[in-house]
Amino acid sequence: GNSVTQMEGPVTLSEEAFLTINCTYTATGYPSLFWYVQYPGEGLQLLLKATKADDKGSNKGFEATYRKETTSFHLEKGSVQVSDSAVYFCALFWGATSGTYKYIFGTGTRLKVLA
Amino acid sequence: EAEVAQSPRYKITEKSQAVAFWCDPISGHATLYWYRQILGQGPELLVQFQDESVVDDSQLPKDRFSAERLKGVDSTLKIQPAELGDSAMYLCASSLGLAGEYTGELFFGEGSRLTVL
Repeated sequence: GNSVTQMEGPVTLSEEAFLTINCTYTATGYPSLFWYVQYPGEGLQLLLKATKADDKGSNKGFEATYRKETTSFHLEKGSVQVSDSAVYFCALFWGATSGTYKYIFGTGTRLKVLA
Repeated sequence: EAEVAQSPRYKITEKSQAVAFWCDPISGHATLYWYRQILGQGPELLVQFQDESVVDDSQLPKDRFSAERLKGVDSTLKIQPAELGDSAMYLCASSLGLAGEYTGELFFGEGSRLTVL
């Protein structure tokens, strides 16, 4: 079945450092890929998405490219800020044969940015 | 900005007691999801509604969990009796969910944190 694997955290970086959080997936068909972010005490919110191979999603300085050949959707940011400290979730989304939509979330990667 | 409302934010109960969580999705969102998030893990789907109908409850422990969305708007998730292993964050999310309008984005509430003693 479909699945998502994220790198384990926590990831601790100094402010202005480069960030990469790895995400790989297993899926049949043509899923969409998402990154959600969860700030302390809040629910998840969409960070960025890509709906087909080679698409690049971007938002708030974060980027991720849908790579079908490596089944990956790694999250990157060139210069992190303390305010980026949060838990990041990679997610796989697809239409099921039953006519419904399905989501699978990764286990999450906690990022801590130090001033 | 429209939000998904959940209550209560925190609930502490003893095992074998009944608990209930309420969710009010964004107006007009046809699809509603209940997720369970255990500390350090990603959200796991418990139940998915399309309007008032259940479309996926395959991971819902039906011997103790129940969910309803009677008028296709707000929803209630109930646990009876609660067990120690039910301690988790219960997240509600909604989406447009209609063919041709569904971007895939889920809108989450802030969650209800359950502690079972």
